[in-house]
Amino acid sequence: QQQVKQSPQSLIVQKGGISIINCAYENTAFDYFPWYQQFPGKGPALLIAIRPDVSEKKEGRFTISFNKSAKQFSLHIMDSQPGDSATYFCAASKSHGGSQGNLIFGKGTKLSVKP
Amino acid sequence: SAVISQKPSRDICQRGTSLTIQCQVDSQVTMMFWYRQQPGQSLTLIATANQGSEATYESGFVIDKFPISRPNLTFSTLTVSNMSPEDSSIYLCSVDSSLSETQYFGPGTRLLVL
Repeated sequence: QQQVKQSPQSLIVQKGGISIINCAYENTAFDYFPWYQQFPGKGPALLIAIRPDVSEKKEGRFTISFNKSAKQFSLHIMDSQPGDSATYFCAASKSHGGSQGNLIFGKGTKLSVKP
Repeated sequence: SAVISQKPSRDICQRGTSLTIQCQVDSQVTMMFWYRQQPGQSLTLIATANQGSEATYESGFVIDKFPISRPNLTFSTLTVSNMSPEDSSIYLCSVDSSLSETQYFGPGTRLLVL
């Protein structure tokens, strides 16, 4: 049973456009929702994360939108650049005792930004 | 953010042998995690390693196949035992940062089993 569903599997966007990646989760106990960016041959790097007490979080060109009632969250990349071309993973976990807990990952979205 | 290093960065091994992967963190952390990422796939948690206690394994992963050590608050090892080609993956360690309430990943160990 996949607890975090991510779409689309791949995405092609023109430079300057908006990239949107969506995730849906099943476990209502989840309270930590990070997005990771992974370049080929590298480990995942934390991009931005949100907790369910807010509906939106913005850091630079990256925004997370969170819909608790729908159990969905999405990543928006504004003014997409070729350097943003990477695989993006959403994840979710139930934090406890100061730990973010065991992250459950989506299957990933391969983003290509065309110049 | 925590700085995490892993050794080796990559290796090619023969089936039936074992490989121990090291994970070093530049600060003391309570919990360390080991993940597996099969080629072109997502990340799957293997086990959680707390210092001073036995690792907790996820469904589908067993201690005999993936023994883990956690001798102190900055170091952990994962051994992939009696390897088969199906074990060819990237193995990643991660840590929680209580200061920033985030989880950081190491660069990974790329393993190819022939």
